[in-house]
Amino acid sequence: ETGVTQSPTHLIKTRGQQVTLRCSSQSGHNTVSWYQQALGQGPQFIFQYYREEENGRGNFPPRFSGLQFPNYSSELNVNALELDDSALYLCASSSTGGGPNTEAFFGQGTRLTVV
Amino acid sequence: AQSVTQLDSQVPVFEEAPVELRCNYSSSVSVYLFWYVQYPNQGLQLLLKYLSGSTLVESINGFEAEFNKSQTSFHLRKPSVHISDTAEYFCAVSDRYNQGGKLIFGQGTELSVKP
Repeated sequence: ETGVTQSPTHLIKTRGQQVTLRCSSQSGHNTVSWYQQALGQGPQFIFQYYREEENGRGNFPPRFSGLQFPNYSSELNVNALELDDSALYLCASSSTGGGPNTEAFFGQGTRLTVV
Repeated sequence: AQSVTQLDSQVPVFEEAPVELRCNYSSSVSVYLFWYVQYPNQGLQLLLKYLSGSTLVESINGFEAEFNKSQTSFHLRKPSVHISDTAEYFCAVSDRYNQGGKLIFGQGTELSVKP
């Protein structure tokens, strides 16, 4: 059983640029959630995808968008990058719609630095 | 809306000493409660969770947490810590009635175990 994998592990972008982060969910999981973890902070929920549809969103602006593909992998896209977007981005996969009592399995994250 | 407060940002302890990491939450609805652990340069791993039933829950590596509804707390304890327990610990809640499974995290407690 493969775990949750994220790519790339690190990247550096310039303010104003766009970035795409990728996540492969754990085998058998149909739900992917994305979190932003700023340095020294706890993760904050960005949004969740279930069966290719957005299924809940946190308090993030529209320039944060996502996709889920038929194989349940997912992308997080961020447009017009700002310095405050620098953070560890975590992907979590779960099964059956990611209900509140369903265990979420996290990837190792993508460290994004905006300069 | 829910919020989580972890009362200690850093907890230094000596090996084999007991430890308690404190977590309080605020919510207008019933919640599920979780503790996650994050080792350096890794993603989050579920340590234990409270869904229902016995208010005392245990993990396989000796941690336990007790749900106290009247005090809205879910403190994490271990009677004797090891060097390998050094990590960041996050308390989290999710709304029982939100099928999206959005997790609300505290800011984390850095546990540092010294020999």
